[in-house]
Amino acid sequence: GQNIDQPTEMTATEGAIVQINCTYQTSGFNGLFWYQQHAGEAPTFLSYNVLDGLEEKGRFSSFLSRSKGYSYLLLKELQMKDSASYLCAVRKNAGNMLTFGGGTRLMVKP
Amino acid sequence: ETGVTQSPTHLIKTRGQQVTLRCSSQSGHNTVSWYQQALGQGPQFIFQYYREEENGRGNFPPRFSGLQFPNYSSELNVNALELDDSALYLCASSKTTGPGETQYFGPGTRLLVL
Repeated sequence: GQNIDQPTEMTATEGAIVQINCTYQTSGFNGLFWYQQHAGEAPTFLSYNVLDGLEEKGRFSSFLSRSKGYSYLLLKELQMKDSASYLCAVRKNAGNMLTFGGGTRLMVKP
Repeated sequence: ETGVTQSPTHLIKTRGQQVTLRCSSQSGHNTVSWYQQALGQGPQFIFQYYREEENGRGNFPPRFSGLQFPNYSSELNVNALELDDSALYLCASSKTTGPGETQYFGPGTRLLVL
């Protein structure tokens, strides 16, 4: 099976930086995705990591360490619109089905 | 907007009834995956269809079934509805099933079972 753990909730201040961690245990790891989901809406794709290291995309960066079963999503220059749930999802070798963590609800305060 | 559409947006059913949810994949995508998302939780994989064939299934009972059509649109059918089936049902499409392919989600169908 797969275990994917993320903090349930986080709070940060507008303009600040926040790091959302995700740890996973799986056999046949074949990639990790981060999605953003605003309340009542569909998840939207943020980033994909399959090799170790940092992927940067504007204000968002994602890091992966396969040996540690660990990833984080880094959000810089936080804006109020970044208040949302952030979902970490792992893909195994067979097919491209995703297993999601429970999501981290981020609240950005003024 | 991902180009993935779902219908209906909301649905209310009673326990024991049957429901059919529909999904149109993004243009150029031949793979559709279905997920169930309970309130406050992450999505759970139900099954995936690739070129009209089931290509993997999660831990859901047989009363959850699906179809994919030649135009790659898809249906999710749930028989003998239970109260715990109340959730947001998401479909996601991707170009293929290969590594590195991103899944793009539709807006979901919110199902309430009374």
